[in-house]
Amino acid sequence: GAGVSQSPSNKVTEKGKDVELRCDPISGHTALYWYRQSLGQGLEFLIYFQGNSAPDKSGLPSDRFSAERTGGSVSTLTIQRTQQEDSAVYLCASSLVAGGRSYNEQFFGPGTRLTVL
Amino acid sequence: AQRVTQPEKLLSVFKGAPVELKCNYSYSGSPELFWYVQYSRQRLQLLLRHISRESIKGFTADLNKGETSFHLKKPFAQEEDSAMYYCALSRGYGGATNKLIFGTGTLLAVQP
Repeated sequence: GAGVSQSPSNKVTEKGKDVELRCDPISGHTALYWYRQSLGQGLEFLIYFQGNSAPDKSGLPSDRFSAERTGGSVSTLTIQRTQQEDSAVYLCASSLVAGGRSYNEQFFGPGTRLTVL
Repeated sequence: AQRVTQPEKLLSVFKGAPVELKCNYSYSGSPELFWYVQYSRQRLQLLLRHISRESIKGFTADLNKGETSFHLKKPFAQEEDSAMYYCALSRGYGGATNKLIFGTGTLLAVQP
């Protein structure tokens, strides 16, 4: 079946511009995560959505970053007034359900490579 | 503070040699530990998790709570094992969020 998809695959923007990154999770997956992969920093958690619960935004690096998930499916990560340090690969992952007594495997998308000039 | 440490950025071995990718963690509780792998031009994927106690592609990892380590091992490396390996942890049972905390990764290069 189809895995997690992300668009665009590459995005080049100028410093100060806003960008939107999109994630389509696996159908039926209720949990959705955004991570950032940058040189020297590894993979950092950004934000997590689970069903209708309030999102866990604890990993967002600044108030320029925001995300929403419409209809419990597609998610958009928005970065306002981009800075050069925002350049990274942004990964989305989804899983069946989070919490409880077992871990539900997170399936990752291919990522969006963001370059801020 | 929750932290995962992978001390080696690059590990280069010859085909057939044993491999050990090191991972240490700090966490105030009982976390779940994982190894993820990213092959060239492929997406990140789960390799194995400590609760499964299984061997995947010849790799094993044992959780050592005393040393807070979760090293990944394989007795005989293959060229197709060349990839980026990430160690990660998440909150253990009962956690409301299974967000993953990753190490910085180790690039394994298996030479012919």
